[in-house]
Amino acid sequence: EIVMTQSPATLSVSPGERATLSCRASQSVSSNLAWYQQKPGQAPRLLIYGASTRATGIPARFSGSGSGTEFTLTISSLQSEDFAVYYCQQYNNWWTFGQGTKVEIK
Amino acid sequence: QVQLQESGPGLVKPSQTLSLTCTVSGGSISSGSYYWSWIRQPAGKGLEWIGRIYTSGSTNYNPSLKSRVTISVDTSKNQFSLKLSSVTAADTAVYYCARDDGVGLIDYWGQGTLVTVSS
Repeated sequence: EIVMTQSPATLSVSPGERATLSCRASQSVSSNLAWYQQKPGQAPRLLIYGASTRATGIPARFSGSGSGTEFTLTISSLQSEDFAVYYCQQYNNWWTFGQGTKVEIK
Repeated sequence: QVQLQESGPGLVKPSQTLSLTCTVSGGSISSGSYYWSWIRQPAGKGLEWIGRIYTSGSTNYNPSLKSRVTISVDTSKNQFSLKLSSVTAADTAVYYCARDDGVGLIDYWGQGTLVTVSS
């Protein structure tokens, strides 16, 4: 099983600032990496797939990068609606998710 | 717009079988090259993929759960179902049904249903 490790567990950011979230795979997943956003009491929402492609309707302030084992999700200027938990998911070898990074208001 | 809705008991006794059904609306479960998945999330924890089914009946299961999981589909009712046997408290979680685009991207999710395993 490919283990996905996200860091940090919690990120405290002020509105308008940049947030950088990391995801590491225990072995290469090529670019088969997705990011999801989950708000309390809601199902996750697909943000990024193919490591860097935004899903339909996702604002340009969300961007993804990386390949192989190291990936990054960047939110360029945090809006109030962006405070949530973010999960990475590899879909190169079945599917596994990271444990999540909570982005909270500083 | 595709919508998914989970249904089933919210409380299951230890050692029994958890059974959930997902009803798909807004489109035929048989259209397109989609798989239909189950994913769960224990309280305060991350997401765990359980398995998926294609409308042909072909299934894929998480190896760690494979011995206890059965996913089936009823195209006439536009539904698919999950059975998880020999449950323990560790199976307590919110269970989501979802649509997988075929490569593993989940583009539509149900709202989730909490299943508690307790006597």
